[in-house]
Amino acid sequence: GAVVSQHPSWVICKSGTSVKIECRSLDFQATTMFWYRQFPKQSLMLMATSNEGSKATYEQGVEKDKFLINHASLTLSTLTVTSAHPEDSSFYICSAREQDYGYTFGSGTRLTVV
Amino acid sequence: GQNIDQPTEMTATEGAIVQINCTYQTSGFNGLFWYQQHAGEAPTFLSYNVLDGLEEKGRFSSFLSRSKGYSYLLLKELQMKDSASYLCAALDSNYQLIWGAGTKLIIKP
Repeated sequence: GAVVSQHPSWVICKSGTSVKIECRSLDFQATTMFWYRQFPKQSLMLMATSNEGSKATYEQGVEKDKFLINHASLTLSTLTVTSAHPEDSSFYICSAREQDYGYTFGSGTRLTVV
Repeated sequence: GQNIDQPTEMTATEGAIVQINCTYQTSGFNGLFWYQQHAGEAPTFLSYNVLDGLEEKGRFSSFLSRSKGYSYLLLKELQMKDSASYLCAALDSNYQLIWGAGTKLIIKP
């Protein structure tokens, strides 16, 4: 089956620094990838949709200058949290669309900003 | 607007059966997903329904009624490891996933 690899699984960083999260589709080409954020005991919140070779589409309320998304190839999308602050601490999950309706999730990244 | 409703929390006994309901209102409809999510982990795929009816997959079954905007996930022979959140998500006309808030299922011995 389709596999999406997400790294790192967890990261702790100092306030003001930047963190990059990678999402790779291992055995299929993902023209579209999705980035979600999930706070404790809440559902997934879509942050942005990234399409290979074009700019990401951000959901309302998500700062595009803070959450930089790059989808440079059909198998790799990255999310960079710039100038991270404690309120950015969350669980970040990527998802790739395999076919018209197939979605596979990465294992998630637990970000803690101290 | 688009909306997904599912109960916040349910409790069931090990070995029993539980049904988790989900109602949806979306702009167009291209199918409904159920995902399982254990605490601290990413969601894992359980089922996808696009046609009316019941799809059975081992201990888990999923039902869809498009005319009623309704789906349920049925879990049989409950095991302690089934304690998790169950997320209902509908695919709208733009093939965007609209997520429910999830149902936390607590299994008691």
